[in-house]
Amino acid sequence: AQSVTQLDSQVPVFEEAPVELRCNYSSSVSVYLFWYVQYPNQGLQLLLKYLSGSTLVKGINGFEAEFNKSQTSFHLRKPSVHISDTAEYFCAVSDRGSQGNLIFGKGTKLSVKP
Amino acid sequence: KAGVTQTPRYLIKTRGQQVTLSCSPISGHRSVSWYQQTPGQGLQFLFEYFSETQRNKGNFPGRFSGRQFSNSRSEMNVSTLELGDSALYLCASSGGLAGTDTQYFGPGTRLTVL
Repeated sequence: AQSVTQLDSQVPVFEEAPVELRCNYSSSVSVYLFWYVQYPNQGLQLLLKYLSGSTLVKGINGFEAEFNKSQTSFHLRKPSVHISDTAEYFCAVSDRGSQGNLIFGKGTKLSVKP
Repeated sequence: KAGVTQTPRYLIKTRGQQVTLSCSPISGHRSVSWYQQTPGQGLQFLFEYFSETQRNKGNFPGRFSGRQFSNSRSEMNVSTLELGDSALYLCASSGGLAGTDTQYFGPGTRLTVL
């Protein structure tokens, strides 16, 4: 069965500093990979997704992620964070043969301090 | 285009009761997926409906059921509520024709079981 591990449950960082949120998945088959963000009392918003092609994926709000097949990782990065980036971030995976079924990691709470 | 809407946003029930949650997908979307979000278990897939048929199912007891109508709106029902059913229930819609389709999430229904 698929699983997703987000290595850090909480990441505190100062404003304008770079940040990396780590995500590893377990799979022996081809997958699609996603990063979602959840602000307090809201649903999930897609930041970016990897389907195929270039391993560096750019998303909204200045975020990007790199797909590394050999390390089964899909880490999320931002070179300079803002206070407004404070939220919970979820990494998710779906099998290429599956539709409508995302497997999520436990989430990483990013806290940006002034 | 209007986003995914969920009603009600908040619900309080007592143990043993049943509850029905509603989800209206983005216009034109034929797939609706349901997820349960709790602090302990994180985000877990419940089931997915496509064109009024359940296409995928997660690992939840039979007390959790759903259906989809011809206009793609979906309902989720939980019977004989337990304290552990307290959670944020999220639905997501997508085109549903390809695994590459992005799932768009609603704001969720927060269910509290007393």
